[in-house]
Amino acid sequence: GESVGLHLPTLSVQEGDNSIINCAYSNSASDYFIWYKQESGKGPQFIIDIRSNMDKRQGQRVTVLLNKTVKHLSLQIAATQPGDSAVYFCAENGGNYGQNFVFGPGTRLSVLP
Amino acid sequence: NAGVMQNPRHLVRRRGQEARLRCSPMKGHSHVYWYRQLPEEGLKFMVYLQKENIIDESGMPKERFSAEFPKEGPSILRIQQVVRGDSAAYFCASSQVTQGATEAFFGQGTRLTVV
Repeated sequence: GESVGLHLPTLSVQEGDNSIINCAYSNSASDYFIWYKQESGKGPQFIIDIRSNMDKRQGQRVTVLLNKTVKHLSLQIAATQPGDSAVYFCAENGGNYGQNFVFGPGTRLSVLP
Repeated sequence: NAGVMQNPRHLVRRRGQEARLRCSPMKGHSHVYWYRQLPEEGLKFMVYLQKENIIDESGMPKERFSAEFPKEGPSILRIQQVVRGDSAAYFCASSQVTQGATEAFFGQGTRLTVV
């Protein structure tokens, strides 16, 4: 289930189940979004991106859904594995090509054996 | 093709000293971004640079912090007279800007501890 910890919300899922991580973005001008995975002690790792002219994009075991009406982004991970345990961040570009990204607060995914 | 390289990985400084963080972007990338991350928080934008130019420094504190990306060599984030509150992980990202949206790749970060 999903719970809010001291700082990061945490999502716990059983190995093999599907995971859904949600993100509400803030700027209606944002037209490019990225999901990053960050493991402990490492830098953010690019997972998948989506532009605002799309509402769905699929990668290997991951799918990103974009709902511009409610400014909501989700990351679906199929058949979650122990190696998927990490903190996941969504990032939006605020409509600025090549400018900085604004990161969400992150969700910690914990995969249970 | 090496990724974004940051060094040092860990840096310990006493209050009042200077910290210099270095970032070499991916080959072919001419755009560098610096972000700061506190424990259990997201990344906060600090500064965006191109070669020899600061494009956007809106996220960088006005005092004690500076950044450069010279024609030759890595980008440098410099923090003068460090204080305990500067302790954080500092990440560098690079991108190859296209006319459309941009994908940025991150280094492993420098963890600064001020004692």
